Amino acid sequence: AQSVSQHNHHVILSEAASLELGCNYSYGGTVNLFWYVQYPGQHLQLLLKYFSGDPLVKGIKGFEAEFIKSKFSFNLRKPSVQWSDTAEYFCAVTTYNQGGKLIFGQGTELSVKP
Amino acid sequence: KAGVTQTPRYLIKTRGQQVTLSCSPISGHRSVSWYQQTPGQGLQFLFEYFSETQRNKGNFPGRFSGRQFSNSRSEMNVSTLELGDSALYLCASTQDRVNTGELFFGEGSRLTVL
Repeated sequence: AQSVSQHNHHVILSEAASLELGCNYSYGGTVNLFWYVQYPGQHLQLLLKYFSGDPLVKGIKGFEAEFIKSKFSFNLRKPSVQWSDTAEYFCAVTTYNQGGKLIFGQGTELSVKP
Repeated sequence: KAGVTQTPRYLIKTRGQQVTLSCSPISGHRSVSWYQQTPGQGLQFLFEYFSETQRNKGNFPGRFSGRQFSNSRSEMNVSTLELGDSALYLCASTQDRVNTGELFFGEGSRLTVL
């Protein structure tokens, strides 16, 4: 069965620190990859996505992610975090024939200290 | 454009009862998906509907059911509630005929089963 693994459950950073959140998935075929974010008290929203093409994708608020097919990874990065980035981040994967059935990782809670 | 609307936002039920949750997708969106979010299991896919037809289904018991109406609004029902059904139930919609996984989520209905 497909699965998504996020390595960090809770990350605490100071403002201006760099961020990298790990995500690995298990599926050998073609995948669509996502990072979703849930800010405190808000709904889950799309941060960025990868369908095909350039493996380095850029999303909102300065986030980017790199798809490394050989490592089955899709790590999220941001060079300098802000207090407003405090949120829970979810990596998710789906395949073309699974349609909207997203498989989510367990989530990483990011706390940014001002 | 109004977002995905879920009602009720909060509800409390007792074991053995049943519950119906409602979701109104973004105008023009024809695909509606449901997810269950719990601290222990994270986000898990329940089912997806497109044009009143269930297009995909997760691994939940038959007590969990859903339907979609001609105006794309969707309901999910859980019968014979168990304590473990306590969760945040999220609805998500997309306008894509082929659901790529790029979803717009509602704020959820938080169900507590006593």
